[in-house]
Amino acid sequence: ETAVFQTPNYHVTQVGNEVSFNCKQTLGHDTMYWYKQDSKKLLKIMFSYNNKQLIVNETVPRRFSPQSSDKAHLNLRIKSVEPEDSAVYLCASSSPGLGYAEQFFGPGTRLTVL
Amino acid sequence: AQSVTQPDARVTVSEGASLQLRCKYSYFGTPYLFWYVQYPRQGLQLLLKYYPGDPVVQGVNGFEAEFSKSNSSFHLRKASVHWSDWAVYFCGDTGGLSGKLTFGEGTQVTVIS
Repeated sequence: ETAVFQTPNYHVTQVGNEVSFNCKQTLGHDTMYWYKQDSKKLLKIMFSYNNKQLIVNETVPRRFSPQSSDKAHLNLRIKSVEPEDSAVYLCASSSPGLGYAEQFFGPGTRLTVL
Repeated sequence: AQSVTQPDARVTVSEGASLQLRCKYSYFGTPYLFWYVQYPRQGLQLLLKYYPGDPVVQGVNGFEAEFSKSNSSFHLRKASVHWSDWAVYFCGDTGGLSGKLTFGEGTQVTVIS
C-alpha cells in the first residue's frame, strides 16, 4: 500500500533543461527527504525538511532546490540538468513518533538526461 | 559521522537455501539500524529495524537480523529463500535519532532454482 506518492515515474530530458519532481505523503508525517540513487544503486541523502523547514542539506550542486508548500509535500527542482543527474530520485517521510528513524519511501522518479 | 558497509555486492542463493547478508556499521553512539529491500523498479520497503534492546529482531517475510555491538554488525538472515526474495537489500543506520539515514552499498540477491 503506497502512502508516499511520486510523480512522474520517468522523465527524459536534455542537458540544460529544467525539471521538477513531486512528492506527496499521506501518512501525516512532518519530515520528508529526497535521496539520489545512482546507476550502481548507491543511495545518498540530498535534503530533509521538517514542517516546511530545511534541516539537512547535503553537499549537492546549487542547481538542485527543494520546495515545500506544506508538510505533506516536498518537491525537487533541478535547474539546467547535467548528464550526471541521471539517476532515480527517491522521496521518503518519517515521524517523531518513530524517532525520525523509520522512513517510508515512494517508488522513485527515474531521470534520464540525454 | 556514521558509516555502513555491506561487503558483499552480490549473493547468489538457491531457492530453499538459507541466506545471510552482512552489514557492518561504524558509529560511536547508539546505532539505530535497519534493513530495507528494493524490488526491481520499486522504492525501498522496510524489512526490520533495531532499536536498543533485544539483539535479535524479527522482520517481515521470515527475515531476522542480529545486532552485535562487539562486532559492529547487523547481519540479515533468512532460513529458506523464495524466488520472490530476488532484490537488492540495503542496511542503514541513522546514527542515533538524527533522522539522517546512511545506507550501505546494497547487496544484490539472485535466487536460482
